[in-house]
Amino acid sequence: DSGVTQTPKHLITATGQRVTLRCSPRSGDLSVYWYQQSLDQGLQFLIQYYNGEERAKGNILERFSAQQFPDLHSELNLSSLELGDSALYFCASSVGTSGEDWETQYFGPGTRLLVL
Amino acid sequence: AQTVTQSQPEMSVQEAETVTLSCTYDTSESDYYLFWYKQPPSRQMILVIRQEAYKQQNATENRFSVNFQKAAKSFSLKISDSQLGDAAMYFCALSGAGSYQLTFGKGTKLSVIP
Repeated sequence: DSGVTQTPKHLITATGQRVTLRCSPRSGDLSVYWYQQSLDQGLQFLIQYYNGEERAKGNILERFSAQQFPDLHSELNLSSLELGDSALYFCASSVGTSGEDWETQYFGPGTRLLVL
Repeated sequence: AQTVTQSQPEMSVQEAETVTLSCTYDTSESDYYLFWYKQPPSRQMILVIRQEAYKQQNATENRFSVNFQKAAKSFSLKISDSQLGDAAMYFCALSGAGSYQLTFGKGTKLSVIP
């Protein structure tokens, strides 16, 4: 168990809908990352937050957005869903500051999204 | 831009034997970190080992060790005394000091033969 939690584990929805994925980082971690794993694209970085602020953006679609709250949990919002958005979405967290192992990312169990 | 290449889509090893998974990378950063993650059928991403690029000493974690060749931009993973539980997809990943997002290779599927 990495200490990173994600809910829900599975999500089935229809095209055009909107969903919210939730992530709670490890205790003490300030950085949260979101990744998408699909068969054709592999593992791709979406977005990073550090202590409530957006730090870096990757291949995140405009239909997707995220935020990190004061208690450091994060939510990834996916809207106007398409069939191609079906994937496994991972959240990872790291300490994000100085110290031993501060940059290492620990992954949650993922949310499996199926868009029908 | 950072790239990570794993040239072996699939590998197999006999139980109790040793296997080496290959990874090459490219980055313009002078300070970076390299990782191997394991993804078993449960799909959980599990950290196996990490290497700091500024450290010349190769990292080891129990039966797992790396061969880090900085000049060649090579980062291979050696698994000794392979066990059935080692069967999984293994991903090599790179993060740069400028932005800590992970860039992943496409993975190597490791099968362990009893």
